[in-house]
Amino acid sequence: EAQVTQNPRYLITVTGKKLTVTCSQNMNHEYMSWYRQDPGLGLRQIYYSMNVEVTDKGDVPEGYKVSRKEKRNFPLILESPSPNQTSLYFCASSSPYRGPPYNEQFFGPGTRLTVL
Amino acid sequence: KNEVEQSPQNLTAQEGEFITINCSYSVGISALHWLQQHPGGGIVSLFMLSSGKKKHGRLIATINIQEKHSSLHITASHPRDSAVYICAVGTLKLIFGTGTRLQVFP
Repeated sequence: EAQVTQNPRYLITVTGKKLTVTCSQNMNHEYMSWYRQDPGLGLRQIYYSMNVEVTDKGDVPEGYKVSRKEKRNFPLILESPSPNQTSLYFCASSSPYRGPPYNEQFFGPGTRLTVL
Repeated sequence: KNEVEQSPQNLTAQEGEFITINCSYSVGISALHWLQQHPGGGIVSLFMLSSGKKKHGRLIATINIQEKHSSLHITASHPRDSAVYICAVGTLKLIFGTGTRLQVFP
């Protein structure tokens, strides 16, 4: 089954404790991206990647790191989480320069993060 | 002013009604996406379009590049269409609207 998986789905942590949210896709998509969703602000892009070892900043990259060492995986790293990073996080993937349906974004189920 | 504006923010309809959700943007774009977020939180891509019109079942999406405007239409609405509909512009770097919450009552 074609899917994007994220782990963990729920996480409560404390300020300053490094964490990683994993994202994996099994569709051989070139493009992967991380978004956060906050009430009243909607979805905002954190980082995206168009290929292995190629990453670029979205609108809200501060406080986050990413890596793309393998095509299927795109982990989101919070080196020193703060309460303002409490949010719902989504990973997505696609092949944006192929025809439909491959160019449409497949979203993971979301990770709800609370930083105390 | 947000670069992507959706209207209305909230929409209530009776089952069977024709629904229109609007998206206006102020930036040059290569593509526009319509997404559906279910009450449980999951997000599904409905359409990605760069010109003209696309149809999938009871859903129709149109885009007017000159006017920087897109519409999502739902024909014969059903309670299972109740969700948040989100417009986004871009191909690699995406900018999102804040969504339209639709509730369809039997």
